[in-house]
Amino acid sequence: ETGVTQSPTHLIKTRGQQVTLRCSSQSGHNTVSWYQQALGQGPQFIFQYYREEENGRGNFPPRFSGLQFPNYSSELNVNALELDDSALYLCASSDRYNEQFFGPGTRLTVL
Amino acid sequence: AQSVTQPDIHITVSEGASLELRCNYSYGATPYLFWYVQSPGQGLQLLLKYFSGDTLVQGIKGFEAEFKRSQSSFNLRKPSVHWSDAAEYFCAVDQPNAGGTSYGKLTFGQGTILTVHP
Repeated sequence: ETGVTQSPTHLIKTRGQQVTLRCSSQSGHNTVSWYQQALGQGPQFIFQYYREEENGRGNFPPRFSGLQFPNYSSELNVNALELDDSALYLCASSDRYNEQFFGPGTRLTVL
Repeated sequence: AQSVTQPDIHITVSEGASLELRCNYSYGATPYLFWYVQSPGQGLQLLLKYFSGDTLVQGIKGFEAEFKRSQSSFNLRKPSVHWSDAAEYFCAVDQPNAGGTSYGKLTFGQGTILTVHP
């Protein structure tokens, strides 16, 4: 059974650019949640996707958007990057309301 | 809105000593409660969770946690710490849903970094 994978591992962008982060959910999981973890902080919930539909959103601006594909993999897109977007981005997959399994994260640095 | 407070940013213990990490939550009803561990460069691993029932919950790696409604607390304990327990620990809460499980939209505390001395 393959766990949750994320790509890329690290990414460096400049202010104003756009970025796409990818997450492959664990086999059999239809729900993906995305979290932002700033340095020294706990993860913050960005949004959740269930069967290709957004299923709840945290306190993040619209320039944070996402997609979920028919195979339940997911993308997180961030437009107009700001310095404060520098963080570890975690995705977690689950089978609806069951236990979430987290990926290793993508470290985004915005210069 | 729900919130989680982990009062201790950094704790240092000696190997073999007992450990207690504190977690306090704010929520209108009984939330679902979780403890996760994060090693450097790793994602989050679930140690244990409390949904209902027995207020003393056993988890993996010898950890346990006790839910105390009167104190809005969910402290994590381990009787004897191993050097491999050095990591960052996060307490999290979620709203219960009608189906009796978690929505999976967790609110995390700031984390407690555990250092273990030999």
